[in-house]
Amino acid sequence: QKEVEQNSGPLSVPEGAIASLNCTYSDRGSQSFFWYRQYSGKSPELIMFIYSNGDKEDGRFTAQLNKASQYVSLLIRDSQPSDSATYLCAVNNLTGGGNKLTFGTGTQLKVEL
Amino acid sequence: ETGVTQTPRHLVMGMTNKKSLKCEQHLGHNAMYWYKQSAKKPLELMFVYSLEERVENNSVPSRFSPECPNSSHLFLHLHTLQPEDSALYLCASSQDPGSPLHFGNGTRLTVT
Repeated sequence: QKEVEQNSGPLSVPEGAIASLNCTYSDRGSQSFFWYRQYSGKSPELIMFIYSNGDKEDGRFTAQLNKASQYVSLLIRDSQPSDSATYLCAVNNLTGGGNKLTFGTGTQLKVEL
Repeated sequence: ETGVTQTPRHLVMGMTNKKSLKCEQHLGHNAMYWYKQSAKKPLELMFVYSLEERVENNSVPSRFSPECPNSSHLFLHLHTLQPEDSALYLCASSQDPGSPLHFGNGTRLTVT
């Protein structure tokens, strides 16, 4: 079982629609959760982070965390062609003071005109 | 400017060469990282330095040797690499281990 699992996609949505990206993780001790966006040929950039159960909104982006279900998602409202990229989910377990940040393989999002 | 600068951007080396990757962060962060990104695989954590002390080494082969002379600079020394080591090598920094990462633009390494 992969530690952090994402559907590789591509996920295609029309411009203006809501894109929903999902991620599940296996480590129940995970404490912090991150979404990174990576354009082709570029490095990952941080989009959102969330530490507590529930929703966290930042502009067009909403991160949702459900620790009981070991599930974290990213919603992108009013999707734009510029949102087309690969979205990486990352999960961290800080128990013991170490850094156990684990990435998924990413979901490719395509926003079509 | 990303705040984390990596050089070179591209590197082609033979299996018998020795080369070094350089990373510099201008964000005042205390932790620095090396990650490897290969096609169709998740980002793999290689090394973590916190306040210039190596705190994580994820079973990386000895042909990769990190060096952190101060909290702003990180090097990855490469020698006798294999073709399967060809990948994108990403440097990142964070305020402390566990905080969000800020990545550099990466070095695309090709081993021939």
